[in-house]
Amino acid sequence: GDSVTQMEGPVTLSEEAFLTINCTYTATGYPSLFWYVQYPGEGLQLLLKATKADDKGSNKGFEATYRKETTSFHLEKGSVQVSDSAVYFCALREETSGSRLTFGEGTQLTVNP
Amino acid sequence: NAGVMQNPRHLVRRRGQEARLRCSPMKGHSHVYWYRQLPEEGLKFMVYLQKENIIDESGMPKERFSAEFPKEGPSILRIQQVVRGDSAAYFCASSPSGSPLNEQYFGPGTRLTVT
Repeated sequence: GDSVTQMEGPVTLSEEAFLTINCTYTATGYPSLFWYVQYPGEGLQLLLKATKADDKGSNKGFEATYRKETTSFHLEKGSVQVSDSAVYFCALREETSGSRLTFGEGTQLTVNP
Repeated sequence: NAGVMQNPRHLVRRRGQEARLRCSPMKGHSHVYWYRQLPEEGLKFMVYLQKENIIDESGMPKERFSAEFPKEGPSILRIQQVVRGDSAAYFCASSPSGSPLNEQYFGPGTRLTVT
């Protein structure tokens, strides 16, 4: 079945540091890929998405590129801020599974001033 | 424009009791999804409902769990005779239709603790 694997957390960085959160996936078809962010006490918010190979999703300085050859969708940001502290979830949605999302375990990011 | 509402935010039940979790989708959304997040794990799909219809319940445990989304009112996830292993965060999401192209908007979750 489908699965998503994220790098283990938690991740702690200083402000303005470079961020990478690794995400790899297993799928039988051609999934769409997503990054969601969850701030404390809130629901998940869609951060960015990519629907086909080589697509790059970007939002709020975050980027991720859909790499079919390595089945990866790593999240990057060049300079993190304290306000980026949150839990980040990688997810996929298969064409054949309708609207169901399959999530990774989540990575807790803490950015210190 | 209110987002997805879930209540209660925190729920404590003793083993054997029933838990009812409510989800009000965003205005204009007729499709609801329930996910469960067990401690130290990612969110797992449970069930997908449209008004008065269950579309996909492949992620629901076979016993004790049920879900509904009536014509009027919120979607309800019901857990009968709760056990300690049901302790988790339960998230609801909604979308305007079932198209995979539509974003799912998530609520803040209900944290269920079974004592």
